[in-house]
Amino acid sequence: DAKTTQPTSMDCAEGRAANLPCNHSTISGNEYVYWYRQIHSQGPQYIIHGLKNNETNEMASLIITEDRKSSTLILPHATLRDTAVYYCIVRVVEGTSGTYKYIFGTGTRLKVLA
Amino acid sequence: ETGVTQTPRHLVMGMTNKKSLKCEQHLGHNAMYWYKQSAKKPLELMFVYSLEERVENNSVPSRFSPECPNSSHLFLHLHTLQPEDSALYLCASSLGGGADTQYFGPGTRLTVL
Repeated sequence: DAKTTQPTSMDCAEGRAANLPCNHSTISGNEYVYWYRQIHSQGPQYIIHGLKNNETNEMASLIITEDRKSSTLILPHATLRDTAVYYCIVRVVEGTSGTYKYIFGTGTRLKVLA
Repeated sequence: ETGVTQTPRHLVMGMTNKKSLKCEQHLGHNAMYWYKQSAKKPLELMFVYSLEERVENNSVPSRFSPECPNSSHLFLHLHTLQPEDSALYLCASSLGGGADTQYFGPGTRLTVL
């Protein structure tokens, strides 16, 4: 089961900031939060990830609460091309093999409106 | 372009056919993954390969058979599939170890008749 919960859908006006929330209340201390987005029928695109500190790159900012139980992805100036499904993922360690796994949920469908 | 390519992009096959999906990564990564995305369902991890060794098989039926001949190539061999296997099949790769951001290919849209 997914370790994250996200709203099913959100709208955002073009040019405004899009703030996408995610709850991950059962996250463990060594588990990272990753964000991806998927434009219709394409492969998921990596956006950003973080552990404890807030992170920023050319695409977005990631704000993680101090207790790490929730986070927010911020797209500072949304454009029509940002319309997509956004996935918040907790990366877990698979105990038997030591590999990392992404557990995907159903994501938030963001629609940017002109 | 993420550096991960998949062929074919679309595939239609009958239940008695045998076909293969191919994934190639040009990123120098050591780990490769197969995911399945059915309509209105989350992505499901199917297989994980690390340094050409299968390290994970998430209870996938034997009609799906992966192969990783080297760290740049990953195949998914398909035989006697069912209509419910129709889905988008996604390949991903990552450097491996702690630096484990996964980069996805564009996917193969599979339809089983």
